[in-house]
Amino acid sequence: KQEVTQIPAALSVPEGENLVLNCSFTDSAIYNLQWFRQDPGKGLTSLLLIQSSQREQTSGRLNASLDKSSGRSTLYIAASQPGDSATYLCAVKGGSEKLVFGKGTKLTVNP
Amino acid sequence: EAGVAQSPRYKIIEKRQSVAFWCNPISGHATLYWYQQILGQGPKLLIQFQNNGVVDDSQLPKDRFSAERLKGVDSTLKIQPAKLEDSAVYLCASSFGQGYNSPLHFGNGTRLTVT
Repeated sequence: KQEVTQIPAALSVPEGENLVLNCSFTDSAIYNLQWFRQDPGKGLTSLLLIQSSQREQTSGRLNASLDKSSGRSTLYIAASQPGDSATYLCAVKGGSEKLVFGKGTKLTVNP
Repeated sequence: EAGVAQSPRYKIIEKRQSVAFWCNPISGHATLYWYQQILGQGPKLLIQFQNNGVVDDSQLPKDRFSAERLKGVDSTLKIQPAKLEDSAVYLCASSFGQGYNSPLHFGNGTRLTVT
């Protein structure tokens, strides 16, 4: 059974800092990994999708990497801004095609 | 492009009552998902439809939860009777296809409180 763990559960940083969010998964037989952002009271917004054959994906100030063999992914946020404050969720899709989510990392960027 | 629409946004009911949620996916999206997100947890898949057929409902508590997707477009999720532990946000998502790399698009969810 696939399990997804995100560390840390919460993170508070000053504006402008570069930061890394971590995601690990127990079953390396995945098709893709997605990073989502969730604002309070809102649904999830897809940020980046990394296919199993890819090593990383970039979108603006966001860079996500995937090391399938070790069961790890990182989301790198450059030059953080207060608007980046949200909960970031990692999810993996495996053979069952079911998307399994971690519990998320709550990020607070202080002005 | 219009996003995934869900209603109502909030619902408060007493235990043992029934409740229904509605979802309209992005136009042209064949796959529709219902997720349950309990506070502090990641979303958990309840049911997945491909057009109007059920692909996966292995985590749906079928003794009290039911879902349908008539005509392969919008969908309703029902709980009858509700329990206190059903308090959660119910998220609907859709994707263009069932393909492995088809990204999911989520609605804003319905927050259910059972008292």
